Amino acid sequence: DQQVKQNSPSLSVQEGRISILNCDYTNSMFDYFLWYKKYPAEGPTFLISISSIKDKNEDGRFTVFLNKSAKHLSLHIVPSQPGDSAVYFCAASGNNAGNMLTFGGGTRLMVKP
Amino acid sequence: NAGVTQTPKFQVLKTGQSMTLQCAQDMNHEYMSWYRQDPGMGLRLIHYSVGAGITDQGEVPNGYNVSRSTTEDFPLRLLSAAPSQTSVYFCASGTVRMNTEAFFGQGTRLTVV
Repeated sequence: DQQVKQNSPSLSVQEGRISILNCDYTNSMFDYFLWYKKYPAEGPTFLISISSIKDKNEDGRFTVFLNKSAKHLSLHIVPSQPGDSAVYFCAASGNNAGNMLTFGGGTRLMVKP
Repeated sequence: NAGVTQTPKFQVLKTGQSMTLQCAQDMNHEYMSWYRQDPGMGLRLIHYSVGAGITDQGEVPNGYNVSRSTTEDFPLRLLSAAPSQTSVYFCASGTVRMNTEAFFGQGTRLTVV
């Protein structure tokens, strides 16, 4: 059973508007959450993260919100740009051996000019 | 900066063949890991290492072996390739806590026929 889920396989947004990507998790031991961005034929690259002691983290156009009670996080991109078109993976980590990352299935974002 | 280097980028194998996917990092990271990416399933952890001489299994370890004789290298061995191992494989490295940020290689696309 997937511990991290991204229920929207794809999202299409107009340039300049807000993109909201969602992620749900089931494991209450997760204490750190990350978003990765992936272009075709490349490896994922780190985008933004948030610790479970916070409910919001902002970096330029990117903001991640964490709702621990709902076990839900979201990534907001404002304003969206065509270069943001990529697959976005949500990932989580707990205080387990190795602190390895558990990934969601990904959401393909398409930003139309 | 090389970062995380994976070779080969593409490989076609026949069922039953064995091969080794190479991964090398030049950032002196303690943590290294292997993931496979399949459509709709995100990245799933195969094996990981928290330092030279130490390896452990991830979520989907069957059919794969790893070793970590040096800090820099973390090869992934397919013992007897099966069509179910057709996937894109990513190697990643990171510092003490992988959840701070993991650096990924460009991936190896493997097809087993």
